[in-house]
Amino acid sequence: DGGITQSPKYLFRKEGQNVTLSCEQNLNHDAMYWYRQDPGQGLRLIYYSQIVNDFQKGDIAEGYSVSREKKESFPLTVTSAQKNPTAFYLCASSTGTQGSEAFFGQGTRLTVV
Amino acid sequence: AQSVTQLDSQVPVFEEAPVELRCNYSSSVSVYLFWYVQYPNQGLQLLLKYLSGSTLVKGINGFEAEFNKSQTSFHLRKPSVHISDTAEYFCAVSSNAGGTSYGKLTFGQGTILTVHP
Repeated sequence: DGGITQSPKYLFRKEGQNVTLSCEQNLNHDAMYWYRQDPGQGLRLIYYSQIVNDFQKGDIAEGYSVSREKKESFPLTVTSAQKNPTAFYLCASSTGTQGSEAFFGQGTRLTVV
Repeated sequence: AQSVTQLDSQVPVFEEAPVELRCNYSSSVSVYLFWYVQYPNQGLQLLLKYLSGSTLVKGINGFEAEFNKSQTSFHLRKPSVHISDTAEYFCAVSSNAGGTSYGKLTFGQGTILTVHP
C-alpha cells in the first residue's frame, strides 16, 4: 500500500535529550513537510523539503533540524534547544505542484518529561 | 502572507441535523482551498478541495463546501450528520505565490465537531 509511515507512534524522552522522528513515504512525492500540532492551534509548519538535499525553514523551525538524503525519507530531530517539545508531530508529502494536496502520516506523539 | 480563521472552535450538533463549519481566509494572491478531517490520534484525511471552476465542491462522506471569493470564505456543510462524523476539521489554504505553491498549506485552528445521539 502506498502511503506515509511515521514511527514510533508514541515517544517519551527526558528533558535535554535529542530525539529523531522517522518519516518514510512510498508515493514518489518530491515534497515533504513536518507539522507540529498543539490543541487549539491547528498545524504549524516546522520544515519542508521540495527536493532531495534541499530543505527550508517553516514558521517554527527553532529547536528542530531535518535532513533529506533520500527522496523517500525526511527525518525530524527535536533538539534540546526546543523549549516546549511535547506535541503531536505530523509528516506529510505532496507532489509539490500548484494546488497539490498533502498526504499525512499517522503522527508521532512526543512527550518530554 | 496568507492566513485561515475557523470561526468556531467547537460545534455540537444532534445526529441527523445539518451542520456548517465556517472558514475564512486572507491572501493577496490566488488560493487553493482544502478541508481535512482528523480522528483522535490519527493523521489528517482530505475531505475536499477547491482549485478552480465550480464554486460548490463535493467531497467524501457527504460533505460539500462553497467557495465565496467576495467574502473570502470556504464553509463546509453536511445536510445530515452521523455519530461517526465526530472529529476535528481543519480548513487549509495554499497559494500560487511565486508561480508554484510547493504544496505548503496554512491551516486554521480547527473545529471540533461533536455529534450527539
